[in-house]
Amino acid sequence: NAGVTQTPKFRVLKTGQSMTLLCAQDMNHEYMYWYRQDPGMGLRLIHYSVGEGTTAKGEVPDGYNVSRLKKQNFLLGLESAAPSQTSVYFCASRSGSYRQTQYFGPGTRLLVL
Amino acid sequence: GDSVTQMEGPVTLSEEAFLTINCTYTATGYPSLFWYVQYPGEGLQLLLKATKADDKGSNKGFEATYRKETTSFHLEKGSVQVSDSAVYFCALSGGSQGNLIFGKGTKLSVKP
Repeated sequence: NAGVTQTPKFRVLKTGQSMTLLCAQDMNHEYMYWYRQDPGMGLRLIHYSVGEGTTAKGEVPDGYNVSRLKKQNFLLGLESAAPSQTSVYFCASRSGSYRQTQYFGPGTRLLVL
Repeated sequence: GDSVTQMEGPVTLSEEAFLTINCTYTATGYPSLFWYVQYPGEGLQLLLKATKADDKGSNKGFEATYRKETTSFHLEKGSVQVSDSAVYFCALSGGSQGNLIFGKGTKLSVKP
Protein backbone atom coordinates (compact mmCIF):
# COMPACT_ATOMS: atom_id res chain seq x y z
CA ASN A 1 0.00 0.00 0.00
CA ALA A 2 1.22 3.46 -0.88
CA GLY A 3 -0.90 5.02 1.88
CA VAL A 4 -1.51 8.71 1.26
CA THR A 5 0.27 10.35 -1.67
CA GLN A 6 0.35 13.98 -2.73
CA THR A 7 1.29 15.68 -5.98
CA PRO A 8 3.14 17.83 -6.68
CA LYS A 9 5.87 17.87 -4.02
CA PHE A 10 6.85 21.46 -4.68
CA ARG A 11 5.45 24.30 -6.73
CA VAL A 12 6.17 27.97 -7.31
CA LEU A 13 3.28 30.19 -8.39
CA LYS A 14 2.93 33.83 -9.23
CA THR A 15 0.23 35.87 -7.53
CA GLY A 16 -3.08 35.34 -9.29
CA GLN A 17 -2.22 31.98 -10.83
CA SER A 18 -4.30 28.91 -10.12
CA MET A 19 -3.39 25.34 -9.33
CA THR A 20 -4.76 22.07 -7.98
CA LEU A 21 -3.14 19.85 -5.38
CA LEU A 22 -4.00 16.19 -5.59
CA CYS A 23 -4.29 13.80 -2.66
CA ALA A 24 -4.84 10.09 -3.16
CA GLN A 25 -5.28 7.29 -0.61
CA ASP A 26 -5.49 3.57 -1.16
CA MET A 27 -6.82 2.57 2.26
CA ASN A 28 -10.53 2.94 1.42
CA HIS A 29 -10.88 5.66 4.06
CA GLU A 30 -14.08 7.66 4.30
CA TYR A 31 -12.64 10.79 5.85
CA MET A 32 -10.10 13.04 4.17
CA TYR A 33 -8.60 16.34 5.29
CA TRP A 34 -6.50 19.19 3.98
CA TYR A 35 -4.26 21.04 6.46
CA ARG A 36 -1.77 23.81 6.05
CA GLN A 37 1.38 24.09 8.13
CA ASP A 38 2.93 27.47 8.86
CA PRO A 39 5.93 28.19 11.09
CA GLY A 40 5.00 28.42 14.75
CA MET A 41 1.33 27.68 14.10
CA GLY A 42 1.06 23.92 13.95
CA LEU A 43 -1.37 22.54 11.39
CA ARG A 44 -4.72 24.13 10.63
CA LEU A 45 -7.67 22.54 8.89
CA ILE A 46 -8.64 24.01 5.51
CA HIS A 47 -11.40 21.69 4.26
CA TYR A 48 -12.48 18.15 4.89
CA SER A 49 -14.68 15.43 3.46
CA VAL A 50 -16.68 12.73 5.21
CA GLY A 51 -17.30 10.71 2.07
CA GLU A 52 -17.41 10.70 -1.70
CA GLY A 53 -19.27 13.72 -3.03
CA THR A 54 -19.22 15.63 0.27
CA THR A 55 -17.00 18.49 1.41
CA ALA A 56 -17.07 21.01 4.25
CA LYS A 57 -15.14 24.03 5.47
CA GLY A 58 -12.58 23.89 8.20
CA GLU A 59 -10.84 26.58 10.21
CA VAL A 60 -9.14 28.47 7.34
CA PRO A 61 -11.12 27.83 4.12
CA ASP A 62 -10.91 31.25 2.44
CA GLY A 63 -9.19 31.23 -0.95
CA TYR A 64 -9.46 27.44 -1.37
CA ASN A 65 -11.94 25.06 -2.93
CA VAL A 66 -12.08 21.27 -2.78
CA SER A 67 -13.71 18.36 -4.54
CA ARG A 68 -14.15 14.66 -3.74
CA LEU A 69 -15.51 13.08 -6.89
CA LYS A 70 -13.93 9.72 -6.13
CA LYS A 71 -13.55 8.18 -2.69
CA GLN A 72 -9.81 7.80 -3.04
CA ASN A 73 -9.06 11.35 -4.24
CA PHE A 74 -9.36 14.73 -2.56
CA LEU A 75 -8.41 17.80 -4.59
CA LEU A 76 -7.49 21.20 -3.20
CA GLY A 77 -7.75 24.14 -5.56
CA LEU A 78 -6.37 27.66 -5.40
CA GLU A 79 -8.26 29.81 -7.90
CA SER A 80 -6.13 32.95 -7.52
CA ALA A 81 -3.03 32.37 -5.46
CA ALA A 82 -1.86 34.97 -2.94
CA PRO A 83 1.47 35.24 -1.08
CA SER A 84 -0.41 34.47 2.15
CA GLN A 85 -1.02 30.98 0.76
CA THR A 86 2.68 30.20 0.82
CA SER A 87 2.75 27.18 3.07
CA VAL A 88 3.21 23.44 3.30
CA TYR A 89 -0.01 21.54 2.59
CA PHE A 90 -0.74 18.16 4.08
CA CYS A 91 -3.49 15.75 3.22
CA ALA A 92 -4.68 13.13 5.70
CA SER A 93 -7.21 10.35 5.79
CA ARG A 94 -8.82 8.07 8.35
CA SER A 95 -11.55 5.52 8.69
CA GLY A 96 -14.30 5.06 11.24
CA SER A 97 -14.62 7.17 14.37
CA TYR A 98 -12.63 10.22 15.40
CA ARG A 99 -10.60 7.93 17.67
CA GLN A 100 -8.94 6.40 14.65
CA THR A 101 -5.47 7.44 13.52
CA GLN A 102 -5.15 9.95 10.73
CA TYR A 103 -2.55 9.06 8.11
CA PHE A 104 -0.68 11.89 6.47
CA GLY A 105 0.82 12.38 3.06
CA PRO A 106 4.36 13.70 2.57
CA GLY A 107 3.20 17.26 1.92
CA THR A 108 3.28 19.83 -0.88
CA ARG A 109 5.47 22.88 -0.45
CA LEU A 110 3.92 25.90 -2.19
CA LEU A 111 5.63 29.23 -2.73
CA VAL A 112 3.55 32.12 -4.05
CA LEU A 113 5.56 35.06 -5.33
CA GLY B 1 -13.37 25.71 21.37
CA ASP B 2 -11.00 22.81 21.71
CA SER B 3 -7.31 23.63 21.91
CA VAL B 4 -3.90 22.13 22.59
CA THR B 5 -0.97 23.85 24.27
CA GLN B 6 2.49 22.35 24.21
CA MET B 7 5.81 23.60 25.47
CA GLU B 8 7.68 25.97 23.23
CA GLY B 9 10.92 24.85 21.70
CA PRO B 10 13.45 24.38 20.57
CA VAL B 11 14.64 21.76 23.01
CA THR B 12 18.28 20.70 22.83
CA LEU B 13 19.45 17.61 24.69
CA SER B 14 22.52 15.43 24.80
CA GLU B 15 22.26 11.81 23.73
CA GLU B 16 20.89 9.54 26.48
CA ALA B 17 19.24 12.43 28.32
CA PHE B 18 15.67 12.23 29.63
CA LEU B 19 13.01 13.94 27.56
CA THR B 20 9.73 15.50 28.63
CA ILE B 21 7.55 17.58 26.33
CA ASN B 22 4.52 19.00 28.10
CA CYS B 23 1.10 19.01 26.48
CA THR B 24 -2.19 20.19 27.95
CA TYR B 25 -5.56 20.39 26.29
CA THR B 26 -8.99 21.96 26.52
CA ALA B 27 -11.87 19.97 25.10
CA THR B 28 -15.50 19.17 25.54
CA GLY B 29 -16.54 15.57 25.52
CA TYR B 30 -14.03 12.73 25.45
CA PRO B 31 -11.26 13.40 22.96
CA SER B 32 -8.59 11.02 21.80
CA LEU B 33 -5.03 12.28 22.21
CA PHE B 34 -2.11 11.82 19.86
CA TRP B 35 1.57 12.53 19.49
CA TYR B 36 2.81 12.90 15.93
CA VAL B 37 6.44 13.26 14.87
CA GLN B 38 7.76 15.08 11.80
CA TYR B 39 11.31 14.33 10.66
CA PRO B 40 13.04 16.94 8.51
CA GLY B 41 11.49 17.21 5.07
CA GLU B 42 8.83 14.60 5.76
CA GLY B 43 5.16 14.36 6.61
CA LEU B 44 3.68 13.59 10.00
CA GLN B 45 3.83 10.10 11.44
CA LEU B 46 1.82 8.82 14.36
CA LEU B 47 4.10 8.25 17.34
CA LEU B 48 1.52 7.11 19.88
CA LYS B 49 -2.05 7.67 20.95
CA ALA B 50 -4.50 7.19 23.82
CA THR B 51 -8.25 7.03 23.44
CA LYS B 52 -9.52 7.29 27.02
CA ALA B 53 -8.54 8.52 30.45
CA ASP B 54 -5.61 6.71 32.13
CA ASP B 55 -4.60 5.00 28.89
CA LYS B 56 -0.86 4.96 28.26
CA GLY B 57 0.36 5.14 24.69
CA SER B 58 3.86 3.90 23.94
CA ASN B 59 6.10 3.40 20.93
CA LYS B 60 9.86 3.38 20.22
CA GLY B 61 10.63 4.09 23.89
CA PHE B 62 8.29 7.08 24.03
CA GLU B 63 5.37 7.13 26.46
CA ALA B 64 2.45 9.42 27.28
CA THR B 65 -0.45 8.96 29.70
CA TYR B 66 -3.90 10.47 29.19
CA ARG B 67 -4.58 12.38 32.41
CA LYS B 68 -8.13 13.68 32.49
CA GLU B 69 -7.78 15.26 35.96
CA THR B 70 -4.93 17.49 34.78
CA THR B 71 -6.00 17.58 31.09
CA SER B 72 -2.48 16.58 30.11
CA PHE B 73 -0.70 14.18 27.77
CA HIS B 74 3.01 14.73 28.37
CA LEU B 75 5.51 12.93 26.14
CA GLU B 76 8.48 11.22 27.81
CA LYS B 77 11.47 9.16 26.81
CA GLY B 78 14.07 7.84 29.16
CA SER B 79 17.10 8.05 26.87
CA VAL B 80 16.99 10.05 23.63
CA GLN B 81 19.08 9.33 20.57
CA VAL B 82 20.35 11.57 17.79
CA SER B 83 17.80 9.92 15.51
CA ASP B 84 14.98 11.32 17.69
CA SER B 85 15.73 14.82 16.43
CA ALA B 86 12.44 16.00 14.92
CA VAL B 87 9.41 18.18 15.54
CA TYR B 88 6.81 16.69 17.88
CA PHE B 89 3.15 17.64 17.73
CA CYS B 90 0.53 16.99 20.36
CA ALA B 91 -3.01 16.75 18.98
CA LEU B 92 -6.54 15.90 19.98
CA SER B 93 -9.44 14.53 18.02
CA GLY B 94 -12.99 14.71 19.14
CA GLY B 95 -14.85 17.53 17.50
CA SER B 96 -17.86 17.19 15.27
CA GLN B 97 -15.59 17.41 12.24
CA GLY B 98 -13.35 14.64 13.51
CA ASN B 99 -10.27 16.58 12.53
CA LEU B 100 -7.11 16.86 14.57
CA ILE B 101 -6.42 20.00 16.58
CA PHE B 102 -2.69 20.49 16.89
CA GLY B 103 -0.35 22.21 19.26
CA LYS B 104 2.27 24.43 17.66
CA GLY B 105 4.96 21.76 17.73
CA THR B 106 8.19 21.36 19.68
CA LYS B 107 11.48 21.01 17.85
CA LEU B 108 13.87 18.58 19.49
CA SER B 109 17.57 18.48 18.68
CA VAL B 110 19.69 15.72 20.18
CA LYS B 111 23.47 16.22 20.17
CA PRO B 112 25.94 13.32 20.23
